[in-house]
Amino acid sequence: EVQLVESGGGLVQPGGSLRLSCAASGFTFSSYEMNWVRQAPGKGLEWISYISTSGTSIYYADSVKGRFTISRDNAKNSLYLQMNSLSAEDTAVYYCASARYCSGGKCYIGVADYWGQGTLVTVSS
Amino acid sequence: EIVLTQSPGTLSLSPGERATLSCRASQSVSSSFLAWYQQKPGQAPRLLIYGASSRATGIPDRFSGSGSGTDFTLTISRLEPEDFAVYYCQQYVISPPWMFGQGTKVEIK
Repeated sequence: EVQLVESGGGLVQPGGSLRLSCAASGFTFSSYEMNWVRQAPGKGLEWISYISTSGTSIYYADSVKGRFTISRDNAKNSLYLQMNSLSAEDTAVYYCASARYCSGGKCYIGVADYWGQGTLVTVSS
Repeated sequence: EIVLTQSPGTLSLSPGERATLSCRASQSVSSSFLAWYQQKPGQAPRLLIYGASSRATGIPDRFSGSGSGTDFTLTISRLEPEDFAVYYCQQYVISPPWMFGQGTKVEIK
């Protein structure tokens, strides 16, 4: 069974830092590109970061560029998101999600097939 | 970056009715790199459609996607009680940023 389990969320003061982790199991993690997607309370989905299988290709949304850092450890089947200089606008449920979907012998990069249950980050004083 | 606009914001329908959801892109989405997701309250999104019209594994055939270029549609042929949820489109053209639309809520009338 495929599982993505996020951890590390919680309450943090404005300007603070937090590191999210995502533990993957049930699939070959090292073969999957990965995303972080967030959802502010009562709002829609916001893609925030992508990392390639080897970690050599990384992208960020403008809203987090320069403050957030995505990384992965394929030996530990884990994805990370280091979040610095947090503000109230970063309050959201953070999901890790795969960024590859394969069907009929073809793979589609960017399609989020596997999702974690999300971890809530609250930025407040 | 490609911006996606979904309409309507809310769709009020009864079980058994047909739902038609729209997703319009600010520029052409090449090779129909467009996906649809369903999200129920308190749950993570679920992939429904990729490549604009291909159903993901395990998705019932009452869900169908169509469109190309800048205009895409998700159709639910006959709404089941479990289909009342929020639906998002997402483009995944070549490289990020991979934007989502703002969502369409399908609610029980």
